[in-house]
Amino acid sequence: DTGVSQNPRHKITKRGQNVTFRCDPISEHNRLYWYRQTLGQGPEFLTYFQNEAQLEKSRLLSDRFSAERPKGSFSTLEIQRTEQGDSAMYLCASSLSGNTIYFGEGSWLTVV
Amino acid sequence: GENVEQHPSTLSVQEGDSAVIKCTYSDSASNYFPWYKQELGKGPQLIIDIRSNVGEKKDQRIAVTLNKTAKHFSLHITETQPEDSAVYFCAASMRSGTSYGKLTFGQGTILTVHP
Repeated sequence: DTGVSQNPRHKITKRGQNVTFRCDPISEHNRLYWYRQTLGQGPEFLTYFQNEAQLEKSRLLSDRFSAERPKGSFSTLEIQRTEQGDSAMYLCASSLSGNTIYFGEGSWLTVV
Repeated sequence: GENVEQHPSTLSVQEGDSAVIKCTYSDSASNYFPWYKQELGKGPQLIIDIRSNVGEKKDQRIAVTLNKTAKHFSLHITETQPEDSAVYFCAASMRSGTSYGKLTFGQGTILTVHP
């Protein structure tokens, strides 16, 4: 068990560019979550997968955001046409069904 | 939707003292309440959790209490140590079906333990 792995850990991008983050959950965890955290705030739910099915999406997830989990293992979160307001830490988490949710170390995004 | 309020926003204690952080939630359907510790530059780490069928849970120096009627829950850390210094988040969730993973977090408490 190596924990939830996220990369890249840090990304600086220019406004208008696209960025993609990858998350590798704990092996055999069937549920995968994406959260966003801005400085001084708690994490905010973005979306949730059970295996490869995306079951819930927050209103925070605008149409510039897309998340996939094609084979029910790793997941990607893509942000198109980035805006300065997208600057945040993007956290991935996983769990085995309804058990404890484990978070990764996060991917920091800075849009300049 | 669920709303979680957390107090205080900052807490400073001397090593060996106790620390208490309090949270209130709005949705009476919430039935799972975890606490996470987050160190600088890292992701949140679960330290303890409690389900609504239990009023109190303890793990060594850490305890959590839940008052379902008042819709509030608290984290108690005894014999604090400098390595307890971090940001602590409470969260609430309704554990049923697909909603289980949708944690709603409080705003966080910055705990500083002075040696």
